[in-house]
Parts: sequence; C-alpha cells; structure tokens
Amino acid sequence: EVQLVESGGGLVQPGGSLRLSCAASGFTLSAYWMSWVRQAPGKGLEWVANIKQDGSEKYYVDSVKGRFTISRDNAKNSLYLQMNSLRAEDTAVYYCARDARGYGDYPRYYYYMDVWGKGITVTVSS
Amino acid sequence: SFELTQPPSVSVSPGQTASITCSGDKLGDRYASWYQQKSGQFPVLVIYQDTKRPSGIPERFSGSNSGTTATLTISGTQAMDEADYYCQAWDSNTVVFGGGTKLTVL
Repeated sequence: EVQLVESGGGLVQPGGSLRLSCAASGFTLSAYWMSWVRQAPGKGLEWVANIKQDGSEKYYVDSVKGRFTISRDNAKNSLYLQMNSLRAEDTAVYYCARDARGYGDYPRYYYYMDVWGKGITVTVSS
Repeated sequence: SFELTQPPSVSVSPGQTASITCSGDKLGDRYASWYQQKSGQFPVLVIYQDTKRPSGIPERFSGSNSGTTATLTISGTQAMDEADYYCQAWDSNTVVFGGGTKLTVL
C-alpha cells in the first residue's frame, strides 16, 4: 500500500524550530518529486515547498523562504521540513505529498499531488 | 503572481449536478487538478490533467478546462460528496491552489 506518514509536529514558541519528517512506503521515493502543503485552521491549502528526486532543486513559497528547508534521504525513504524562526502564522496542519509532473500536450505542463499523508499539526504559540 | 479564484460555496440537491468553477489568467493554457477534502480528513485527488480521474474515483466526477475557467462537475451528487474542493495549477516552479469551495448537499 502506498503511504505517507508525517511526524515531528507539536507546540513551539514563536522564534523556535521544529523538524517534520515524512516516512514513505509502498513506492520508490527516489523516483518522485515531493512536496509539503499546509492548511491553517479554517483556511485553504497552501503549498509550502517541493524538492526534486535527487535533492538538486528546491522551491519555496515566498512566506517561508530563508526560514524553512526541505530535504530528503532516499535511502531512508524519508522527506523532511526544517522550520526555523517560526511565527504564529505558521500554525497549520502540514501535509506531505507525492508529486506527479510533466508535459502532457506540449507546451502545457501538469503538476499535481497524487498521494497525501494524513497530516501533522504544528502550533506556534507562547 | 498567478492566482486561482473559486466561489466560496455551492449548494446542490441530492441527485442533481454540481458545478464548481476555478478561474485564472489563461488557465486553459495550463493543466488543472482538483482535490476533495472532507471534514477533518486529508485532501484526495479527484481530477488531474483537466479531465482524468484517478483509480477509485467515481465516474460522476468529471472536469473541463478552457479559456480562463476550469470546472469540476459532479453528476448525480450524493450526500457523501459534501466536502471542500480545491483547484490547483502550476506556475513558474510554484504550486497554486484556489481558495476552495464548500459543496453543500441539501
């Protein structure tokens, strides 16, 4: 069964740090781009970051650039999100997701998330 | 920056057809995807590459995309389809989600 399981969430004070992990099973992690997506309480989905199969390319939403770092260890079938200088507005459920991307009818490019974890809660509060 | 706009809410009677729109500049030049998120659960992909359904998604879910608007259509809507629905597209190395539409089955 294809599965993603997040861990590492919790309560942290503003300015603090947290490292999220995502364990992948049922598929070869090294074959896929991967993303983190978050959802603040009562709000919509917000893409946070993604990373190429070999870790050579990483992209972030502007609001987390310089504070968050996405990484992966394919040998351990794991994806990570290091979150530093946390703010109250980072409070959210964080989802790990498997990406699918490529050209359909060129030059149109598709990108979607076909497998999601159940999510992990991060609360930034004093 | 590229943005996707969805109506906050749509209501439909059981058995009727629900249509949820997603608008963005030249959206038809990109591929759109749709996700269903039931209360307290994680998102589930229901449509990708405008019109394709993943394995296990009922045939009553369909999609289209042309011009500036992508549309998710649910034919013969059932009570179990009540959920939030999000459209999503790709723009310059970033993933963009619409604000979400709450579908109520009355």
